[in-house]
Formats: sequence, structure tokens, C-alpha cells
Amino acid sequence: QLQLQESGPGLVKPSETLSLTCSVSGASIRSYFWSWIRQPPGKGLEWIGYIFYSGITDYNPSLRSRGTLSLDTSKNQVSLKLNSVTAADTAIYYCAKKAYCSSGSCKFFENWGQGTLVTVSS
Amino acid sequence: EIVLTQSPGTLSLSPGERATLSCRASQTVSSSYLAWYQQRPGQAPSLLIYGASSRATGIPDRFSGSGSGTDFSLIISRLEPEDFAVYYCQQYGSSVTFGGGTKVEIK
Repeated sequence: QLQLQESGPGLVKPSETLSLTCSVSGASIRSYFWSWIRQPPGKGLEWIGYIFYSGITDYNPSLRSRGTLSLDTSKNQVSLKLNSVTAADTAIYYCAKKAYCSSGSCKFFENWGQGTLVTVSS
Repeated sequence: EIVLTQSPGTLSLSPGERATLSCRASQTVSSSYLAWYQQRPGQAPSLLIYGASSRATGIPDRFSGSGSGTDFSLIISRLEPEDFAVYYCQQYGSSVTFGGGTKVEIK
């Protein structure tokens, strides 16, 4: 059974870099696309980006290139780094598995981690 | 960017009633690349519908999706107690964007 577990600091100072890790069990990260999605407290969802082990990535343009996704295949982990954070980056951050289809067009999310709350504050 | 507008913001209904949720896109969603998610309090979203009308694995048939172009709907035919939650639509025809959500609450 696929399980996703996010982890990382719960508090980050403004202008610093937010770093989160998603530990995947029940599947190899080489097999699927992996995504990060965030949700400010009490608000809606915002897609951050996705990554495939071949190096394919795609990001939400609204992040203005502040985000970077990477994979550690030795640990079966997916990572997110978001630099120059502000209070607007305070959110629950979810790791999710993108659905697979041969065309690559299935950019919806079948499995989600429980999420981790990151607060940006001095 | 395709903006998704969900309505109503809140739907107050009783168990057993029918719920109709709307998701309107600012531009045509190509190939009906639209998904719906359910989010219960304190939980992560979970996939209900993809491709506008295909139910995800294990989703009961009281959930149905329809629509094309810019107008999509999620219908819950008879509300069960566990269906009271927030529902989000998401388009994946042009990048990925989510709607603002509809809360289905107990009347």
C-alpha cells in the first residue's frame, strides 16, 4: 500500500529557504511523477510542481522560480525547496502521486500524504 | 492561467438529499481534463472523479461528475453523513489549477 509522509521544519524565518521531504513507501519513486501541493490555513489548494526521475519537471509559474523539486532514489524520497519565503508561504504542504497514463496528460493526484504545516514567521 | 470558480461557496443540506456542485472555468478545459476531490476536516484531499466523469477506484456510485468545455458539475445523489466535507475541482488541461472549494454542511 502506497504511503507518503512529509517532514521538515514547522517554522521558517522570512527570506529563508523552506525545505521539505516526502518519504515514499510501497512504490519506487522511479515509477511515477511526484508533486507538491499546498494549502494556506482555511483556504484552497495550490499546485507547486511535479517531478519524474528522468529529470522532467514542471512548476507553477506563480512561484516565480522560487521552487525546486528533487528526488533521492537511494532513500525513495521527494524533496521541495522554496526560497525567499514570506508569510504568504505559510501553508500545509502535501506530497502527492500524480496519476499515470501513457500520454502523460493525467495530471491529477491519486495519493496524498497527510501534509505538514509550515509557518513563516520571525 | 485557467481560473476555476466553484459555486455555491456553502451548501446546507440534510442527509439523504441530493447535492449539486458547480465548477466553471474561465477558458475551455481541453479534453474534459477535470477532477474532483473531497477533503474532510483535518485530512488531505482524496480523489473522487477524473476526466470529468470517471470515478476513482473505490468511489461509490452516488458520486457522479459531468460537463465539458467550461461548465462542470459534481452530483452526490443521496448524502451520507461522511459526505459532509469540502469539495474541490481541479483542471489539468493547461497546467494545474484548483477551484476555491464548496463546503457541504449539515443543515
